[in-house]
Amino acid sequence: GQSLEQPSEVTAVEGAIVQINCTYQTSGFYGLSWYQQHDGGAPTFLSYNALDGLEETGRFSSFLSRSDSYGYLLLQELQMKDSASYFCAVNDDKIIFGKGTRLHILP
Amino acid sequence: EAGVVQSPRYKIIEKKQPVAFWCNPISGHNTLYWYRQNLGQGPELLIRYENEEAVDDSQLPKDRFSAERLKGVDSTLKIQPAELGDSAVYLCASSLGLGQGTTNEKLFFGSGTQLSVL
Repeated sequence: GQSLEQPSEVTAVEGAIVQINCTYQTSGFYGLSWYQQHDGGAPTFLSYNALDGLEETGRFSSFLSRSDSYGYLLLQELQMKDSASYFCAVNDDKIIFGKGTRLHILP
Repeated sequence: EAGVVQSPRYKIIEKKQPVAFWCNPISGHNTLYWYRQNLGQGPELLIRYENEEAVDDSQLPKDRFSAERLKGVDSTLKIQPAELGDSAVYLCASSLGLGQGTTNEKLFFGSGTQLSVL
């Protein structure tokens, strides 16, 4: 079977750094993606890791450890507009999503 | 460049009625996905197309759901008859579909159709 685990909610303060973890168990694996979804909106792509290591895109970074079946999304210099749900997704030939982490940001 | 277009944006129907959703993917995108998303949950895969071929429909409830992608472009997802539990947002996504391996399979989503079954 396939499963992705990520925390249901995370709270952080504006300007701070937050890390959202994701562990996965899938029959096949080509890479791990992260998507952001604001309330009422569609998921939008943030990052993709096919190989171990850190990928940086502006304030967002994503990490992957294939041997540990683990990845995380790191958000720096948090802004109020970062309040959203964040999904990890495994590329197992098809794209399978986790249940999402709701990020709350306090002023 | 136009994004993924879905219609209708909202649909309210009574149970046992049929309903259909339409999706126009980004031009040139070979792969098309239909997902269902319940409130507070992640998108759940229903079916994946590579061009006009349904390559993964294992999660599609085939007793009431059907889908087609004629000519490998637009796609339609149908529910007949609808049940109360079908209330959800139905999302369509497309990607270039460059194949397996280390390819970044980046999905572009439409705005979705919010279905309410009464």
